[in-house]
Amino acid sequence: AQKVTQAQTEISVVEKEDVTLDCVYETRDTTYYLFWYKQPPSGELVFLIRRNSFDEQNEISGRYSWNFQKSTSSFNFTITASQVVDSAVYFCALSEANQGGSEKLVFGKGTKLTVNP
Amino acid sequence: NAGVTQTPKFQVLKTGQSMTLQCAQDMNHEYMSWYRQDPGMGLRLIHYSVGAGITDQGEVPNGYNVSRSTTEDFPLRLLSAAPSQTSVYFCASSYYVKGDGYTFGSGTRLTVV
Repeated sequence: AQKVTQAQTEISVVEKEDVTLDCVYETRDTTYYLFWYKQPPSGELVFLIRRNSFDEQNEISGRYSWNFQKSTSSFNFTITASQVVDSAVYFCALSEANQGGSEKLVFGKGTKLTVNP
Repeated sequence: NAGVTQTPKFQVLKTGQSMTLQCAQDMNHEYMSWYRQDPGMGLRLIHYSVGAGITDQGEVPNGYNVSRSTTEDFPLRLLSAAPSQTSVYFCASSYYVKGDGYTFGSGTRLTVV
C-alpha cells in the first residue's frame, strides 16, 4: 500500500534561513510519481514539481530544490534563503502508475512552514 | 481563465440535508477527482473518474456519490449530510498522462451543523 510520511508537522524559521522539508514514501511499485504542492494561507493548492521513479536527478528551480533518493525512499524539498511569502503548508504526494495514470494521489499530512521576518 | 472551477466556495448545511458540490474544468482533462482536507489529515481521495461514464471509489467514499456524464463536469453529491463531513473539498483534474501534475480547484468549505 502507498504511504507518504511528512514527519515535520510545523517548522518555523527566520527569513533568509535555508529550510528542508522531509518526505518519506512507501510503495511496492517500481514505477511511481512524486509531487510537492504548496498551500498558502489563501487555501489553494499550487503544484510545484513532479518526479518519476526513473529520474533521480536533483532539480533546482530558483530558490527551490528537490532531492530524490530511491535508496532511502525520500523526496526532500529545500528552500534556500527563505522569504515570508514561502509561509504555507507543503504537501508531498505519491501516485502509482500501475493502472496507466495518475488517478490516485496519496498525500502526506503536510508540513506547515512559517517564515518570520 | 482556464482551470478547475468549484462552486460554491462556502456552504453551511443542516444534518440530514443533501447537496451537490459542483466541479467543472475546461482543459479537456480525462482525469477528475475529489479530495477532502481535514486538519492534520492531509488530503484524502473520495472518488475519481478516468473519463466520462467511468467513476470509482477512493479512500473515503462513504456518504458521497459522483457521476461523470461529460468530460467537463464532475459533481460530488452528499446524500445525507453529517457533521463528520465538515471539511474543505477540493476537485482536481489532469491529463491521462502518467505522472502528470493535477490542477486543483480553489476548494469548497463545507460546515454541517
